[in-house]
Amino acid sequence: QQQVKQSPQSLIVQKGGISIINCAYENTAFDYFPWYQQFPGKGPALLIAIRPDVSEKKEGRFTISFNKSAKQFSLHIMDSQPGDSATYFCAASPNQGGKLIFGQGTELSVKP
Amino acid sequence: DGGITQSPKYLFRKEGQNVTLSCEQNLNHDAMYWYRQDPGQGLRLIYYSQIVNDFQKGDIAEGYSVSREKKESFPLTVTSAQKNPTAFYLCASSRQADGETQYFGPGTRLLVL
Repeated sequence: QQQVKQSPQSLIVQKGGISIINCAYENTAFDYFPWYQQFPGKGPALLIAIRPDVSEKKEGRFTISFNKSAKQFSLHIMDSQPGDSATYFCAASPNQGGKLIFGQGTELSVKP
Repeated sequence: DGGITQSPKYLFRKEGQNVTLSCEQNLNHDAMYWYRQDPGQGLRLIYYSQIVNDFQKGDIAEGYSVSREKKESFPLTVTSAQKNPTAFYLCASSRQADGETQYFGPGTRLLVL
């Protein structure tokens, strides 16, 4: 019940296309859903995050869509660029002092 | 320049040897975390500390130990009991002890000789 399942494991997108990464969870106590971006050999960096009181959050080319009833959330990268090539992790945190639970990661490759 | 520093960037361990990975933060964060990253397995929590002089085991604490004597420092020792230590180790911190908005260091890659 503490797991966050992420898919796909890897994704190849053409430059200018839309990249979509999905995550699903079971624990209804989760109330914070961040996405992290990690470049090879570097630590992950927070990209964008959402709480369940909204269904969508957009920051530049990055959008999180959140479906509370389905217990799913996804990251959409519009107009994908080669510089977006990285590993993306979704995560979830329960309220009242809970730890972040990470998905398995998605390796995105954007081809020029 | 605020942030989280980890050292060394690469570390080599011999059989039966304990090694210590350093993690320092100057963000004045209360909580600090250690993760292990293996290919295809995401980030797995080793230990975390919500306050000085207190820490809790994460999901894969066996073979590891930590201390939190100072707010800004959270060193991780990989003991000889950890039979498969080769991995990328990441330290993180967060302002509150609720896990939100964790900021990560650059990582230490540990290799076994």
